[in-house]
Amino acid sequence: DIVMTQTPLSSPVTLGQPASISCRSSESLVHSDGNIYLSWLHQRPGQPPRLLINKISNRLSGVPDRFSGSGAGTDFTLRISRVTADDVGVYYCMVSTQSTWTFGQGTKVEIK
Amino acid sequence: EVQLVESGGALVQPGGSLRLSCVASGFSFETYWMSWVRQAPGKGLECVATMSSYGNQKFYVDSVKGRFTISRDNSQNSLYLQMDSLRAEDTAVYYCARPGSLWSFDFWGQGAQVTVSS
Repeated sequence: DIVMTQTPLSSPVTLGQPASISCRSSESLVHSDGNIYLSWLHQRPGQPPRLLINKISNRLSGVPDRFSGSGAGTDFTLRISRVTADDVGVYYCMVSTQSTWTFGQGTKVEIK
Repeated sequence: EVQLVESGGALVQPGGSLRLSCVASGFSFETYWMSWVRQAPGKGLECVATMSSYGNQKFYVDSVKGRFTISRDNSQNSLYLQMDSLRAEDTAVYYCARPGSLWSFDFWGQGAQVTVSS
C-alpha cells in the first residue's frame, strides 16, 4: 500500500511569511492512465476539507494565487507565498491510484 | 450549487449496525463515482469506501472489508453506507465526498458523527 509522508507535521508561521509543506510517497504515484493525481486539501477546525490543488499544480477556482503546488515522481510540495490568518488549519496531500485514495497524515499550520 | 447532505449518524453499541445516507444535488449524480471518507477524533482522513457511477465497482479499505457495504440509488441521487459489526475504532465523522474529474475529492458534505460505545 502507498504511504504518504508529510513534513513538517506542525508549522508555526509568522503572518506574511512563506510556508512550505512536503509530501513524499513510498512508491510511484502514476495512475493507470499515466497521470499523477496528487491533490492538496485544507481543513479548518470543525469543517470538512476543502480542495485547493489537484493534479500536482492545478489550483481550483477561487483559491488564492498565493497557493502553489509542484513536484514530480515521489516528492511534492505545497507552498503558501505569504501566510494570512485565513490559512490556519491542517493541510493534507492526497493521491488517487487505481481506484484507491490515500491521504498524508496532515500538517498543522498555525500563526506564531 | 453542488450539495452533499449526510444523515444517519448516531451513538451505537459495539457490534451494532448503522446506515448512513448522503443525498446529492446540483450535479449529475449518476455520472460520478462517490466515496465515504472518515475522520476519527483528532486524527487524519481515511477513504473507507468508493463506488463507481453505475455501481459495478466497489472498493473498501482493509479495515472495513466484510463489515461495511457501500451502495447507491441513482434515481434518488443517494449514496449509502451500511455499517455492521461496528467497533470502537469506527468512531469518526463520516463524510460523503465526490471524486471529481481529476480523481480528487472536490466536494464534501458536512459529515455525520458515528460513535461506537457501550
